[in-house]
Amino acid sequence: SYELTQPPSVSVSPGQTARITCSGDDLSKKYAFWYQQKSGQAPVLVISEDTDRPSGIPERFSGSSSETTVTLIITGAQVEDEADYYCYSTDITGSQRVFGGGTKLTVL
Amino acid sequence: EVQLVQSGAEVKKPGESLKISCKVSGYIFTNYWISWVRQKPGKGLEWMGRIDPSDSYTQYSPSFQGHVSFSIERSLNTAYVQWRSLTASDSATYYCAKHLLLPNGNASFGLDFWGQGTTVTVFS
Repeated sequence: SYELTQPPSVSVSPGQTARITCSGDDLSKKYAFWYQQKSGQAPVLVISEDTDRPSGIPERFSGSSSETTVTLIITGAQVEDEADYYCYSTDITGSQRVFGGGTKLTVL
Repeated sequence: EVQLVQSGAEVKKPGESLKISCKVSGYIFTNYWISWVRQKPGKGLEWMGRIDPSDSYTQYSPSFQGHVSFSIERSLNTAYVQWRSLTASDSATYYCAKHLLLPNGNASFGLDFWGQGTTVTVFS
């Protein structure tokens, strides 16, 4: 079955740049989406189709893509950005939609 | 304003049946697929499958095929997921989520708006 691999945790100080990676064999051919989930809340879409930032999402959130890895970048991370972040994509056939295992971002 | 409002928390016994709902507003219900996502306590997100509200066509993840079923009530702008026989391993929070549309009008597999989640607890 198709898998997306994320680091379990990333830690930065406030104001630093946080980078969260997501790797998968088919990511060079299929878009990825990023979701932020704060404790006890529903996920929120923060990056769509590798690099698009939805309306209402702060400009410090951006995305990049290179070969089989996509990256969520938070430039000047804030304490309120502490959350679990999940990438989401599909395999090349479009039949298997999967989430990465999630990355816990700590900002302190 | 797009909203997906889910039904309240449930406590059930093993072997019981359950149907939980996701009522949408703020957009044309039949224009966008709905997906269901499971999250077990302290764990990550799992895609269960999706349903097309326009024709009730369903697609299930292999991990959930045969154990859950999705349905639609178009007159109520509501999507449902149901279980015929719950087990303790079904204890989790379940989310519904609306799919995006591609610029050509086709459905994207991406999800934009999510419900608040429904917590299901199954214990004897």
